[in-house]
Amino acid sequence: DIQMTQSPSTLSASVGDRVSITCRASQSISRWLAWYQQKPGKAPKLLIYQASNLQSGVPSRFSGSGSGTEFTLTISSLQPDDLGTYYCQQYSNYWTFGQGTKVEIK
Amino acid sequence: QVELVESGGGLVKPGGSLRLSCAASGFSFSDYYMSWIRQAPGKGLEWVSYMSSSGTNIYYADSVKGRFAISWDKAQNSVFLQMSSLGAEDTAVYYCARYSTSSVLDLWGQGTLVTVSS
Repeated sequence: DIQMTQSPSTLSASVGDRVSITCRASQSISRWLAWYQQKPGKAPKLLIYQASNLQSGVPSRFSGSGSGTEFTLTISSLQPDDLGTYYCQQYSNYWTFGQGTKVEIK
Repeated sequence: QVELVESGGGLVKPGGSLRLSCAASGFSFSDYYMSWIRQAPGKGLEWVSYMSSSGTNIYYADSVKGRFAISWDKAQNSVFLQMSSLGAEDTAVYYCARYSTSSVLDLWGQGTLVTVSS
């Protein structure tokens, strides 16, 4: 099984800050990685697919990078609406999610 | 309007069974692959089951293999998850979700809560 590990577990930043979340795979997954945002009490929402492709309708302040085993989700200028938990997911071999990164606004 | 609506959750005793439903509107299941994903209270997301658009390819997480069964009904445009031999570890919000042409989950339902407790 492919394991996904995110860091940090919690991130606290101010509005306007640039923030990054890292996701590491236990083996190479090429670029078969997606990022989701989940707001409290809601279903997850797709942000990024194939490591760096922005899903339609997602603000351009979100971006993704990486390949192989290491990936990054970056929010270029954190907004109040960005609070929530972010999950990476590999879809190279079945489907596995990272444990999540909770983003808080200072 | 394109959406997924889950139903069928509730309180069930350990060892019991439950059948979840996921109704689609605005699109046809037969054109998409589908999955069930669950989230235990305060925890992360766990993929549970997958079914291809033809119903030919079906996969399960090891944690539910042999206990859960995914199926679909074209006429009802719905996907189902039959769950049996339930234990406390199955307590979670269960989401159904649709795969996009890029093989990622681009549409999710609102979720239905399953609580396994005596």
